[in-house]
Amino acid sequence: KAGVTQTPRYLIKTRGQQVTLSCSPISGHRSVSWYQQTPGQGLQFLFEYFSETQRNKGNFPGRFSGRQFSNSRSEMNVSTLELGDSALYLCASSRSGYSSGANVLTFGAGSRLTVL
Amino acid sequence: GQQLNQSPQSMFIQEGEDVSMNCTSSSIFNTWLWYKQDPGEGPVLLIALYKAGELTSNGRLTAQFGITRKDSFLNISASIPSDVGIYFCAGPSNTGTASKLTFGTGTRLQVTL
Repeated sequence: KAGVTQTPRYLIKTRGQQVTLSCSPISGHRSVSWYQQTPGQGLQFLFEYFSETQRNKGNFPGRFSGRQFSNSRSEMNVSTLELGDSALYLCASSRSGYSSGANVLTFGAGSRLTVL
Repeated sequence: GQQLNQSPQSMFIQEGEDVSMNCTSSSIFNTWLWYKQDPGEGPVLLIALYKAGELTSNGRLTAQFGITRKDSFLNISASIPSDVGIYFCAGPSNTGTASKLTFGTGTRLQVTL
């Protein structure tokens, strides 16, 4: 069974540009969440989408946004990139996202963004 | 907000040795998760704990859910080179969803032959 697929794996942007990252969840998983990982702040929750609706949001500025499509695939967008946005962006999927033994997160390999 | 502190931050051990690491929280968690992250990859779930006092094993790995609900421990027995990586504890925030996880600061494990 295919895992969580993230594209692109690596990308380089310059300050002020915008970027879109894509995530295909495991088949049958309807919840997709996004995390940012940096050496200084560690792993931090960005937002979660379920049935095309944002269900939870972390403490990130409005420059960070996302969406989910009817096939559960998700994209996240960062506008007006800053140097501090350089990070590994991880996508994770689960069946429904509710706390239960069957709904643990499965992570993708991530998209590594470098902002110059 | 919720914070998870892991110790030690890093460990250098010899192959064959046992490893212990722990995670403490300033608030109660109802679920504890242990993930391992290899370089260039996303975290992979090792063990999930759902009940205070629970002790769960996965091969050479054993984890325990602390009775106070504010801590958890992970032990690795007879370490091997492929155990190298960063180990994270994590728990769901109090939002009713398993997707919004608070992650610990991580323990970096290095194994020497």
